[in-house]
Amino acid sequence: GAVVSQHPSRVICKSGTSVKIECRSLDFQATTMFWYRQFPKQSLMLMATSNEGSKATYEQGVEKDKFLINHASLTLSTLTVTSAHPEDSSFYICSASRSRGRDTGELFFGEGSRLTVL
Amino acid sequence: AQSVAQPEDQVNVAEGNPLTVKCTYSVSGNPYLFWYVQYPNRGLQFLLKYITGDNLVKGSYGFEAEFNKSQTSFHLKKPSALVSDSALYFCAVRDKGRGSTLGRLYFGRGTQLTVWP
Repeated sequence: GAVVSQHPSRVICKSGTSVKIECRSLDFQATTMFWYRQFPKQSLMLMATSNEGSKATYEQGVEKDKFLINHASLTLSTLTVTSAHPEDSSFYICSASRSRGRDTGELFFGEGSRLTVL
Repeated sequence: AQSVAQPEDQVNVAEGNPLTVKCTYSVSGNPYLFWYVQYPNRGLQFLLKYITGDNLVKGSYGFEAEFNKSQTSFHLKKPSALVSDSALYFCAVRDKGRGSTLGRLYFGRGTQLTVWP
């Protein structure tokens, strides 16, 4: 199966700093990647859709200046949490599909990144 | 808009017994339905999907799901549960994309499955 690598798996930072999370598709090219946020014992909330070579599409209520997404290549998307605050602490998960232009393909998920803001 | 509902927060079953995790959906057009499993502090793993064809879909680790159009359901099943099946299970529906942009995946709230020895 397709492998999606996410790094770092855990990060602790001070309030006010910025944190970058990387998502890589290791053995396939992903035109589109998705970023999710998951609160404890809750479902995944889609934050944004990341398209290679263009601006990300953010879901309603997600601050695009707060959560910067860059998809510079077909195998890498990054999420930067700017000026992080304790309420940004969460589990962030990226995903990608190897099916170009088809909606029937499953998404492959990274292992997630646990962000803790002190 | 597409949506899925998982009516049960928790399902408890004894090892060796059959298990069912329920999911109902609301979609416009043909549904693309998925089941994923999540272990603690891990990402999601794909179990199975329904796109078209046979209503009974077989997936990983002995799981299967039955697509029922009249009841708009896509329940996950396994004939004989294992303790190692204990995890969080998510049902999901795929939105239709536009152009070259893939459709988004919307998740149910998840069902915690606990299989006791």
